[in-house]
Amino acid sequence: QKEVEQNSGPLSVPEGAIASLNCTYSDRGSQSFFWYRQYSGKSPELIMFIYSNGDKEDGRFTAQLNKASQYVSLLIRDSQPSDSATYLCAVKPGNQFYFGTGTSLTVIP
Amino acid sequence: GAGVSQSPRYKVTKRGQDVALRCDPISGHVSLYWYRQALGQGPEFLTYFNYEAQQDKSGLPNDRFSAERPEGSISTLTIQRTEQRDSAMYRCASSAGALYTDTQYFGPGTRLTVL
Repeated sequence: QKEVEQNSGPLSVPEGAIASLNCTYSDRGSQSFFWYRQYSGKSPELIMFIYSNGDKEDGRFTAQLNKASQYVSLLIRDSQPSDSATYLCAVKPGNQFYFGTGTSLTVIP
Repeated sequence: GAGVSQSPRYKVTKRGQDVALRCDPISGHVSLYWYRQALGQGPEFLTYFNYEAQQDKSGLPNDRFSAERPEGSISTLTIQRTEQRDSAMYRCASSAGALYTDTQYFGPGTRLTVL
């Protein structure tokens, strides 16, 4: 079983809609959770991190964490074509960061 | 510096040659990570340093791979006797090392091609 599971997509949403990206993890000891965005041919860039159960909002982005269900999600409100990228979920149970394979998001104008 | 830098950005080598990939982390960052990323996959952990100490090298594929960070800043990932299967993007990331809120910042990567 992989440490971090994500649907690879592709996920397509129309411009202005809400995009919902999901991630599950296997290590119950994981304390910190991260969402990265990676444009094609570029390096991953941090969007936000969360380490407490519940929601964390930052602009158009909301991360949701449910440790009991071992589930973390990212909502992107008012999706823009510039949001089209691969979104990587990462968890940090100890010293290592474990990444999922990423979900490809396309926002259709 | 302003961000994580890596050199070279592209490296083409022949099978059997040794290569050294360099990472210069963000100034003051305690932790440094090396990853390998295949196309369409997430970064795969290779090894991790805290200051100059290599804390975890469990992700290194075999003994042809080694890494060092002798002065707790710049790190070098060395691949000896390269094989075609070593071709990939190699990424370095650094972080301040905080316990729960530790976030890492990636360099631009080195694209390694082994012919």
